[in-house]
Amino acid sequence: GIQVEQSPPDLILQEGANSTLRCNFSDSVNNLQWFHQNPWGQLINLFYIPSGTKQNGRLSATTVATERYSLLYISSSQTTDSGVYFCAVEGAGGTSYGKLTFGQGTILTVHP
Amino acid sequence: KAGVTQTPRYLIKTRGQQVTLSCSPISGHRSVSWYQQTPGQGLQFLFEYFSETQRNKGNFPGRFSGRQFSNSRSEMNVSTLELGDSALYLCASSLAGLGYEQYFGPGTRLTVT
Repeated sequence: GIQVEQSPPDLILQEGANSTLRCNFSDSVNNLQWFHQNPWGQLINLFYIPSGTKQNGRLSATTVATERYSLLYISSSQTTDSGVYFCAVEGAGGTSYGKLTFGQGTILTVHP
Repeated sequence: KAGVTQTPRYLIKTRGQQVTLSCSPISGHRSVSWYQQTPGQGLQFLFEYFSETQRNKGNFPGRFSGRQFSNSRSEMNVSTLELGDSALYLCASSLAGLGYEQYFGPGTRLTVT
């Protein structure tokens, strides 16, 4: 099945700093989503972004499907940005089609 | 609109028992997916239901099953519980499947002793 790798695995920032999270995937995808899991376990949908660039406030994301990667940018980070960021993809074919495959996540800690 | 709700939020069961978890999707959403999250395996897809039909299933044993009702509410059942089934079980709803934004519920934390 499709492999999803996220980097870095851990990221520690001071409040106000910017960061870039990366998601690489091993095969063609139908769709890609970014999620933020807060300390209580709730997964929040950040972006549905199979290709192109989107922005939502301090967050933006870019997916280059032909090169099989996606980037999540967080600007002017705040302590409330802390948590785990997941990238999830649906493969375009084979056993990965019809299901979301998640990366292992990036654990972000923002210190005041 | 109300978000995705899951009940119960916490559950403690004994090995060998069975458990049923419930998920109520956002109004108007017809697709419900289930996921298991553990520290070792991460987030893994269990199955997806659309209009009362299971469309896709992940690599889990037959002890894991689910169903969806005509109002789109879904249940998943785990029979003959094992210690390794301890996990956070998350459901997600969307308008019509994985080609749409997925909205997750708060999860049910299952502990098997």
